[in-house]
Amino acid sequence: QKEVEQDPGPLSVPEGAIVSLNCTYSNSAFQYFMWYRQYSRKGPELLMYTYSSGNKEDGRFTAQVDKSSKYISLFIRDSQPSDSATYLCAMSFNNNNDMRFGAGTRLTVKP
Amino acid sequence: GAVVSQHPSWVICKSGTSVKIECRSLDFQATTMFWYRQFPKQSLMLMATSNEGSKATYEQGVEKDKFLINHASLTLSTLTVTSAHPEDSSFYICSARDGGGPEAFFGQGTRLTVV
Repeated sequence: QKEVEQDPGPLSVPEGAIVSLNCTYSNSAFQYFMWYRQYSRKGPELLMYTYSSGNKEDGRFTAQVDKSSKYISLFIRDSQPSDSATYLCAMSFNNNNDMRFGAGTRLTVKP
Repeated sequence: GAVVSQHPSWVICKSGTSVKIECRSLDFQATTMFWYRQFPKQSLMLMATSNEGSKATYEQGVEKDKFLINHASLTLSTLTVTSAHPEDSSFYICSARDGGGPEAFFGQGTRLTVV
């Protein structure tokens, strides 16, 4: 079993739709959870990070962490064509360890 | 967020030659940087952790003599692909933490093509 599981998609939605991206993980020791956006042939760009369980909102993006279920989500409201990218979840045990990445979900938002 | 600059963004080299990729933290000091490799439509695979002033820590299966890492200062780490072969063609990305939190900031990536 992989440490971090993420459905690679592809996921295609119409503009304005609400997008739900998810990851599950197996190691309950993960404490920090991050979402990155990666455009083609570019390095990942940090969108949000959360510590332990709970929700965090930033504009159209909301990150949720449910440690009891080992499940994290990223919601994108009012999706735009510019949101089309690959979204990677990542998690780490503490501030110093390297991160474990999901496979990434390819999202296309159609005008 | 903090800025990490990676250079070059792409490079084409002949088989048997060596290629050096630079990763710089522009507005912060990074005692630790990470080097990843990414194949098309796949996630990031950690190759090694680069520690300033000491030897890099390589992940299992990564040849340390082939992928030389040097972290000579708090703002610069380099990855040298030695005696490159076509199977080394890939997207290489570095990242660093600025010490303010667990999140890492990534460089733009380097697309290496070995012909």
